[in-house]
Amino acid sequence: SQQGEEDPQALSIQEGENATMNCSYKTSINNLQWYRQNSGRGLVHLILIRSNEREKHSGRLRVTLDTSKKSSSLLITASRAADTASYFCATDSLSGYSTLTFGKGTMLLVSP
Amino acid sequence: ETGVTQTPRHLVMGMTNKKSLKCEQHLGHNAMYWYKQSAKKPLELMFVYSLEERVENNSVPSRFSPECPNSSHLFLHLHTLQPEDSALYLCASSQDRGRLGEKLFFGSGTQLSVL
Repeated sequence: SQQGEEDPQALSIQEGENATMNCSYKTSINNLQWYRQNSGRGLVHLILIRSNEREKHSGRLRVTLDTSKKSSSLLITASRAADTASYFCATDSLSGYSTLTFGKGTMLLVSP
Repeated sequence: ETGVTQTPRHLVMGMTNKKSLKCEQHLGHNAMYWYKQSAKKPLELMFVYSLEERVENNSVPSRFSPECPNSSHLFLHLHTLQPEDSALYLCASSQDRGRLGEKLFFGSGTQLSVL
């Protein structure tokens, strides 16, 4: 299965701390994306990293990709209460079709 | 606001009812998707439409019937559902299907409860 698997399932931190979420997947990919979902809402795209990239930054977000270990991590620095949400990784496949496969997500709670 | 609008936001229906979910995208995208999100499970891809043609159907029961009359609108017709079909149904769109690295734009979803 192409499915990504996030770890941990839930994470609780204080405002100002960093949050790290991990994603593992099973087969080779072209791209890996991270999405965020606020409770009861749709998913919002955060960042995409290509298989030939090792690290990417966007504001307070830092994503790494290790294709040899088939894993990725999402780091949110200096977290805020507004970062409270579920975070999902999504992988595509080498077939070229962009139907993404999502994991179960990490639920992040940032307390003021 | 992602440019993808879903209605209704909430729906409660009995097992014998017929209802429809509607999705509209204002982004000029060519591909549209239905996903099902149940508690503690990964998002499940249900249907994919590309240029109004259904290109993927992931073994979804026939009590779910999609319709894509044009590239901006997508419907999911529901009939004789089961309680286990209760979930958040998400519509998404992307510029094209078949290009690597497509980002999906999601609607806010319809929270469906089947009694």
